[in-house]
Amino acid sequence: KAGVTQTPRYLIKTRGQQVTLSCSPISGHRSVSWYQQTPGQGLQFLFEYFSETQRNKGNFPGRFSGRQFSNSRSEMNVSTLELGDSALYLCASSLGSGSADTQYFGPGTRLTVL
Amino acid sequence: QQQVKQSPQSLIVQKGGISIINCAYENTAFDYFPWYQQFPGKGPALLIAIRPDVSEKKEGRFTISFNKSAKQFSLHIMDSQPGDSATYFCAASKSNYQLIWGAGTKLIIKP
Repeated sequence: KAGVTQTPRYLIKTRGQQVTLSCSPISGHRSVSWYQQTPGQGLQFLFEYFSETQRNKGNFPGRFSGRQFSNSRSEMNVSTLELGDSALYLCASSLGSGSADTQYFGPGTRLTVL
Repeated sequence: QQQVKQSPQSLIVQKGGISIINCAYENTAFDYFPWYQQFPGKGPALLIAIRPDVSEKKEGRFTISFNKSAKQFSLHIMDSQPGDSATYFCAASKSNYQLIWGAGTKLIIKP
């Protein structure tokens, strides 16, 4: 089976712009979670989607939003970019919802905000 | 109460030695404790996980030790190899809630 794919792999944007990141989960997986990874901060949970519904949400401002399509592919959008949004954004898929289901991560999208 | 504290931040171990990474949590409702391994340019991958009904779980050279009363768990890598050089993350969660992650430990195994 193909793994989790994320596009694009790298992005450079300027403050105030918006960006959309895409994640294709492993075939058959219905849950997609998004994380922000910054040096020294570990992984910060953004949100989880299961069967097109947002199931859990982390403590991020409303500028961060997401959605999931009927084929389980997911997109994450960040509006009005700030310098502090520079990070590696990881997507993980799992068969079902709930943290005990093993999460399989993609390679991430490296976002740089100038 | 939602935090998972991981130490050390970085660790250098000689080839063949034992690498030990520690994590502490506060929320006694947590019931799932995985460790993930991340190589540069890759996303994290599940290495080994434990539930609080056992005190130790071993898979090959990797062992999780779990101390429920102290609210601590640790990862031991026996006979550490250069290929083990990576960043390791501990995490914890309660059922059907998202994982809470430690800040990560960068492990370097010196040949």
